Amino acid sequence: EAGVVQSPRYKIIEKKQPVAFWCNPISGHNTLYWYRQNLGQGPELLIRYENEEAVDDSQLPKDRFSAERLKGVDSTLKIQPAELGDSAVYLCASSLDQTSSGNTIYFGEGSWLTVV
Amino acid sequence: GIQVEQSPPDLILQEGANSTLRCNFSDSVNNLQWFHQNPWGQLINLFYIPSGTKQNGRLSATTVATERYSLLYISSSQTTDSGVYFCAQDGNRDDKIIFGKGTRLHILP
Repeated sequence: EAGVVQSPRYKIIEKKQPVAFWCNPISGHNTLYWYRQNLGQGPELLIRYENEEAVDDSQLPKDRFSAERLKGVDSTLKIQPAELGDSAVYLCASSLDQTSSGNTIYFGEGSWLTVV
Repeated sequence: GIQVEQSPPDLILQEGANSTLRCNFSDSVNNLQWFHQNPWGQLINLFYIPSGTKQNGRLSATTVATERYSLLYISSSQTTDSGVYFCAQDGNRDDKIIFGKGTRLHILP
């Protein structure tokens, strides 16, 4: 069974440019997460989807970040315009259902963003 | 909000040694998980352990929910155990999973 797939794996862009990340969760997983991980820190949740509905986007900087999950499967995370402080690893994860029900969360390999 | 604190922040051990990593959490645990992040950044789920003890090969974990801590034991360490170990939990009120800052483990050959 394929795991969570993310692309691109690495991205270097100049500040003020846009960037987009794509995620394909594990088949059948209803819950999808986007996390951001800064160097030396643990992942921080940006947004969580239950199917196609964003149920928690309280940590998403909405002035420049946007996300969508069309048809409740694949998801994209966009940053426009990017700032130097956005340099981080963007992790996508999925779980069968809500983790509060005991479901394990599975992470992709991450998209490493460097803004110069 | 939920706070997750891990200790020690860094640990350097010789291959073959045993280690204990600790995770303290501030809220009643609903779902506590341990993860290993390898040097290439991949996060792998090790245990889902809101309470009790589980073992998987050389790794085991114990969560004492009433005292709000969890321990991850690694026995007979191997160089492939190197990386960062995170614990993460979400509370009863939502599914917002909060990660600790991790314990960076270096196993020397």
